Amino acid sequence: DTAVSQTPKYLVTQMGNDKSIKCEQNLGHDTMYWYKQDSKKFLKIMFSYNNKELIINETVPNRFSPKSPDKAHLNLHINSLELGDSAVYFCASSQGSAVNTEAFFGQGTRLTVV
Amino acid sequence: GENVEQHPSTLSVQEGDSAVIKCTYSDSASNYFPWYKQELGKGPQLIIDIRSNVGEKKDQRIAVTLNKTAKHFSLHITETQPEDSAVYFCAATGGAVLSFGAGTTVTVRA
Repeated sequence: DTAVSQTPKYLVTQMGNDKSIKCEQNLGHDTMYWYKQDSKKFLKIMFSYNNKELIINETVPNRFSPKSPDKAHLNLHINSLELGDSAVYFCASSQGSAVNTEAFFGQGTRLTVV
Repeated sequence: GENVEQHPSTLSVQEGDSAVIKCTYSDSASNYFPWYKQELGKGPQLIIDIRSNVGEKKDQRIAVTLNKTAKHFSLHITETQPEDSAVYFCAATGGAVLSFGAGTTVTVRA
C-alpha cells in the first residue's frame, strides 16, 4: 500500500547515457513533483505537474524531461547524463495545486553517473 | 525567490534532553512553514507544520514556533529518543515553490 513509489531505487550508469526514473502515486493527488537532493542533502524542486500539466520548471537543463501520462504518474527522463547529475531524486505528490499542503515523498532514486 | 537558512547543521543531544532547530526566511509573503524528517534511506516525511496566522503549534513531543516579524521559526523536540535521530528540514513557501533549508542532522546519544 505504498503511497508514492519510484523505480528504480538505485541507478548506476555511464556518462552520456539516457535513463528514466518512474514514479506512481496511489493517493489520488492532483500535483506531483520531482526534487533533487545533492550530496550535501540540499533539497531543491525541479518540476511540478498539476493534472498532467507542467506548472513549475525550476531552471533545470533541457536534458531533463518530465512526462506525466496521467495524474497518478510522473516519470523523469534524463538525456546525455553528466557526472554532476549524480544525486538522489525524489518524487512527491500533494493534494490540490497549492504549495502549502503536505507533500508525500517517495523513497528516492540514487543516481550515480560514472 | 525565497531563501531559507537553517541552523545548526548538526546537533548531538543526550537521550531525554531537548533539541532545537532554528530557521530564518527572506520572503515576508511566505505563509506556510512545514518541517520534514528524513530517516536514512527514506524520503522526507512531514512531522509538523505551521501557518502564518498561528504563533505556536504542538504535537506531543514536537512543537514549532513562528515569529513573522523577525521572519524566523523553530522546531523543538522534547524528551528526545533514539528514533528521533534523523535529518530535519525546515521549509517555507516562496511564491509557487516550497524552499527547503539545508537540513540538520540530529543524533540522539543513548
